[in-house]
Amino acid sequence: GNSVTQMEGPVTLSEEAFLTINCTYTATGYPSLFWYVQYPGEGLQLLLKATKADDKGSNKGFEATYRKETTSFHLEKGSVQVSDSAVYFCALWKSSGDKLTFGTGTRLAVRP
Amino acid sequence: GAGVSQSPRYKVAKRGQDVALRCDPISGHVSLFWYQQALGQGPEFLTYFQNEAQLDKSGLPSDRFFAERPEGSVSTLKIQRTQQEDSAVYLCASSATGGGSGNTIYFGEGSWLTVV
Repeated sequence: GNSVTQMEGPVTLSEEAFLTINCTYTATGYPSLFWYVQYPGEGLQLLLKATKADDKGSNKGFEATYRKETTSFHLEKGSVQVSDSAVYFCALWKSSGDKLTFGTGTRLAVRP
Repeated sequence: GAGVSQSPRYKVAKRGQDVALRCDPISGHVSLFWYQQALGQGPEFLTYFQNEAQLDKSGLPSDRFFAERPEGSVSTLKIQRTQQEDSAVYLCASSATGGGSGNTIYFGEGSWLTVV
């Protein structure tokens, strides 16, 4: 079946550091890939998405590239801020299943 | 409303009690999803509606869990005879059509259920 594996947290960084959160997936065919973010006390929000191989999703300084050869969708940001502290979830969608499959989440803490 | 609204936000139930969790999706959204999120875990799919039709209930963990969307808008997730392992956040989400590449799936803030 479909599955998503992402790096365990917590990830603790100083402000302005470079961020990478790894995500790999298992799925047949060509899923769409997503990063969702959950800020403290809030619901899940879509951060970015990519729907086909080599697409790059980007939003709020975050980027992720859909790499079919490595079945990966790693999240990156060049310079994190304290306000980026949150839990980040990688997810995939297969239309044949009509549902999102999530990873376990990675907590990011950014120190001033 | 502007977003997906869920109620109650917090519920404490005694073991064996029945609970009902309500979801108001974004107006006009065809698709509605329920997910269960245990502490420290990612959301796990429970069930999916397209309008009033429940197209997939493969994620419901037992026959104590039941979901309905009788008029194709508001949905209720009911848990009968609650047990401690049911303690989790229950997330509702909606999208204009099926979600995935075509449409964004919007999540509510969740209903936090604690069974004591």
